[in-house]
Amino acid sequence: AQSVTQLGSHVSVSEGALVLLRCNYSSSVPPYLFWYVQYPNQGLQLLLKYTSAATLVKGINGFEAEFKKSETSFHLTKPSAHMSDAAEYFCAVSDPGGGADGLTFGKGTHLIIQP
Amino acid sequence: DAGITQSPRHKVTETGTPVTLRCHQTENHRYMYWYRQDPGHGLRLIHYSYGVKDTDKGEVSDGYSVSRSKTEDFLLTLESATSSQTSVYFCAISGSGRRDNEQFFGPGTRLTVL
Repeated sequence: AQSVTQLGSHVSVSEGALVLLRCNYSSSVPPYLFWYVQYPNQGLQLLLKYTSAATLVKGINGFEAEFKKSETSFHLTKPSAHMSDAAEYFCAVSDPGGGADGLTFGKGTHLIIQP
Repeated sequence: DAGITQSPRHKVTETGTPVTLRCHQTENHRYMYWYRQDPGHGLRLIHYSYGVKDTDKGEVSDGYSVSRSKTEDFLLTLESATSSQTSVYFCAISGSGRRDNEQFFGPGTRLTVL
């Protein structure tokens, strides 16, 4: 079975500081990994995805994530936080049966930006 | 934005009543999903569909049923709602069953069962 662990249900950073949101996964097969963002009272929007083409993945809004197989991690970073980055972030792994079987999500990390 | 709508957006109902949530898409995508979102649990898959009349269970399917009679519509039914089904429900679609294919999410339905 797949699983995703996001360390820290809440992360607070100052505006302009580095954002680091942690995600570790377990998967019985080579994983495909996703980061989604959810703004208040909205659905989820894809930030970026890892599909084995490159270990460093760039996404929207200045976010990027690095896949590290040895650490089973896929941490999300952004060099300089902006107030508009305040949201809930979810890491997800695709189930081995194929994308048709859905995604397994982590519990989410709420990112707080301090002015 | 992917053309996904969910109705109703908000609903309050009483324990024991039947409830149907609707997901409608205009993208002609084959795959559709229902998730529930609860604090501390992230999103969990309830049911999914891989074509008209083709559905299967997800992680938390007990107490829920689904139907898909047309490509564009995926219905989620709570036959007899319970307070434990108070949640935010999200529909998602995907154009492919490939593992690397992203899912597009609807705006969600907030359901409260009293």
